[in-house]
Order: sequence, then C-alpha cells, then structure tokens
Amino acid sequence: DAKTTQPPSMDCAEGRAANLPCNHSTISGNEYVYWYRQIHSQGPQYIIHGLKNNETNEMASLIITEDRKSSTLILPHATLRDTAVYYCIVRAGGTYKYIFGTGTRLKVLA
Amino acid sequence: DVKVTQSSRYLVKRTGEKVFLECVQDMDHENMFWYRQDPGLGLRLIYFSYDVKMKEKGDIPEGYSVSREKKERFSLILESASTNQTSMYLCASSLWGQTNEKLFFGSGTQLSVL
Repeated sequence: DAKTTQPPSMDCAEGRAANLPCNHSTISGNEYVYWYRQIHSQGPQYIIHGLKNNETNEMASLIITEDRKSSTLILPHATLRDTAVYYCIVRAGGTYKYIFGTGTRLKVLA
Repeated sequence: DVKVTQSSRYLVKRTGEKVFLECVQDMDHENMFWYRQDPGLGLRLIYFSYDVKMKEKGDIPEGYSVSREKKERFSLILESASTNQTSMYLCASSLWGQTNEKLFFGSGTQLSVL
C-alpha cells in the first residue's frame, strides 16, 4: 500500500490560494488519490479525488503530476472556515483500504 | 446528502464495562467502517463490514468486536473497556464502486475510559 507524506502545518492568508502538497512516490497504477479535511471535533469530509487527470469541483482542484508521485490540493480563495487538517490518502481501486496519514494542519489567517 | 449518525457525541465509561457504539447510515451503503483517531497517529481502521453479517478486521481489531445485523446499522463493541481505548471513534460508510467510491463520516464519539 502506498504511503503519503505531507507537511505538518501551513499558513495561508484569507482570500489567497492555498496549495497543499502531498508526496506519494510509491503509488501504483490502480491507486486513487483522495483528499479529505477535518474541522476541529468533526468527522473528516470528502473534498476531491482522482486517478491520473487533474480534477476540479466546487470545493477545490486536484493537480496530479504526470508520474503520479505527487499531487497538490488547491483551495482557490481560502476563507477562515477552511482552517482544518487536510488528509491526502491513497486507495487501491476495488479495495476498502484508505490509508490515512497525520495530515497538514492549515491555518487561514485574517 | 448522505447522513451517518453516531449515537453519542461523548461517552464516559469505567474500566471493565461493556461499551456499545452505534452508527446508522441512511443511504443504503454496502460498506461501513469503524476508525479510531488518536493525536499523532491519524485514523486507524478497526473493523470493516461489506454486507450484513459480514466483517473484516482492520489494522487494530484487538479488544473490539462488531455487529451488523441490518444494512444501515454497524455497532462497535468494547467487551471490557480499558483506559488505552480512550479515543475518538469515527464511523463511516461508502457505496462500493471503483471510480466514485468515497467515505462519508459521522461526527465521532469521544470515549473516555476511567
């Protein structure tokens, strides 16, 4: 199972883009990259996921490098409510195993 | 929207007690999960169920059992609670599928064992 590595913490100014990096250098061809976030004292919330191509939804964009060894989650206009712990996870297609790391604590500053 | 409901937000129990944590989902999902979350350790999978009465051990099943008698309900049982089981417990569900599968989490139960 591929592991992920994320910086433990980041700050971002309100209104600016937050770019959260994730390294998954041992990812295999059928493993998806997922991003979740956890606001204090709540359960994790799904943000976005992808396999090879970049993805965008109403919450964020996911940029996956061509070799798939790393990815970046982009919150285009961070707000104070985006302050949370962000988890980058890989999951092999057809399996139930989501491997959570310890995530990046993002603090959005006013 | 999918709703995953955990029966208690906070629980305080004594060492040796039998503890039941209940989880209900309302979207007819096949898969249900129990995780525990501890500072510095992230989320760790305790048990997984892919159908009624079906279960698989996760990474840390010792000291726990589970029950899934109905599709919408997944219970985590601590047969004899110990202080090292003090933790945040998170239930999740998902619809089985290759491309669009994703986990939906409940709000968590903070369990303190004294």
